[in-house]
Amino acid sequence: GEEVAQTPKHLVRGEGQKAKLYCAPIKGHSYVFWYQQVLKNEFKFLISFQNENVFDETGMPKERFSAKCLPNSPCSLEIQATKLEDSAVYFCASSQLGVEAFFGQGTRLTVV
Amino acid sequence: AQSVSQHNHHVILSEAASLELGCNYSYGGTVNLFWYVQYPGQHLQLLLKYFSGDPLVKGIKGFEAEFIKSKFSFNLRKPSVQWSDTAEYFCAVNAGGTASKLTFGTGTRLQVTL
Repeated sequence: GEEVAQTPKHLVRGEGQKAKLYCAPIKGHSYVFWYQQVLKNEFKFLISFQNENVFDETGMPKERFSAKCLPNSPCSLEIQATKLEDSAVYFCASSQLGVEAFFGQGTRLTVV
Repeated sequence: AQSVSQHNHHVILSEAASLELGCNYSYGGTVNLFWYVQYPGQHLQLLLKYFSGDPLVKGIKGFEAEFIKSKFSFNLRKPSVQWSDTAEYFCAVNAGGTASKLTFGTGTRLQVTL
């Protein structure tokens, strides 16, 4: 597709529950990035992929966060045992050559 | 590590006023520079980008930015703002090269009044 598609748009989870977010990159784009936007303004890089391979995972909290990009499937970001501080908007971005990134609409995760 | 500073947190302008939003970055190597806009409830949209060449870059919707290497700055400008420009503006940088992560500034909220 011509847009980065993220699902769901909104997700509410009780503390301790699992959350799984999906991202379909623009067709033909080899790179996928995940960012977390907290407090409306602060963007934090989480992880990037080149096709199905992890490219940079320096921003990923090691304990509860995981991500995958499998062939012929949307990429996913999973949070095990969510905490209140995980409440944020999670943005996925894709890039053809790894330089200019196009962002999706985001998934707003609310942990209650 | 890279860092980006946006000194103006909230700017209020009347329609037709000129706009300049400051952006300074800290990084010793080659960088790519970006300005993104986020309209209320929407995703980030790319306004303009600088990779190399002419330091004055023009983007969409009448926006432009000037890269001044000696000042580590990439300020965003628009000669005459419109009410529809009301949004959050984010400056971002990444290290030159492939698949470098973006480092964002904390954003500037622009409010344009009629």
